[in-house]
Amino acid sequence: QKEVEQNSGPLSVPEGAIASLNCTYSDRGSQSFFWYRQYSGKSPELIMSIYSNGDKEDGRFTAQLNKASQYVSLLIRDSQPSDSATYLCAVMSGSARQLTFGSGTQLTVLP
Amino acid sequence: DVKVTQSSRYLVKRTGEKVFLECVQDMDHENMFWYRQDPGLGLRLIYFSYDVKMKEKGDIPEGYSVSREKKERFSLILESASTNQTSMYLCASSLWAEKLTRYGYTFGSGTRLTVV
Repeated sequence: QKEVEQNSGPLSVPEGAIASLNCTYSDRGSQSFFWYRQYSGKSPELIMSIYSNGDKEDGRFTAQLNKASQYVSLLIRDSQPSDSATYLCAVMSGSARQLTFGSGTQLTVLP
Repeated sequence: DVKVTQSSRYLVKRTGEKVFLECVQDMDHENMFWYRQDPGLGLRLIYFSYDVKMKEKGDIPEGYSVSREKKERFSLILESASTNQTSMYLCASSLWAEKLTRYGYTFGSGTRLTVV
């Protein structure tokens, strides 16, 4: 069983809609969670990190963490075509000094 | 801003060649990582290093080796390149503990290697 699971997509939303990306993880000791955005042919760039249960907002992005249910999500409000990319979820477990990545969800925002 | 620089953006090498991929970071990060990324397979960890002269195998180390002689530089070596090593190679670096918790990894721009 993969440690970090994401729906591969593709996920398509119309411009201006809310895009919802989900990620589940298997290690209950996981401490910190990250969302990276990766444009085609480019390297991943960090969007947000979250380590406390609840919501964390940064502009149009909101990360949501529920440790009891072992999932983390990313909401993108007012989606723009420039948000079209692959979104990677990454998890840092309590014992590890490294991140474990999901395989990513491809998002397309349709004009 | 932390900068992670990979020496080549695109490389084409022949089967059997020894290939060196270089990665340099400029913010005194302790941890450095090499990943390869292939469609449908996500990011796969090849090797990582927590300190100078230290190296540890990741999930797919076969056919690769690494060198970390200085804190800022982490080199990936393909001992004898094969066509199945055609891939995007990504270097990343990070700080320890609370900083890792907060800032995660910083990635280099990647090297797209084609082995013919």
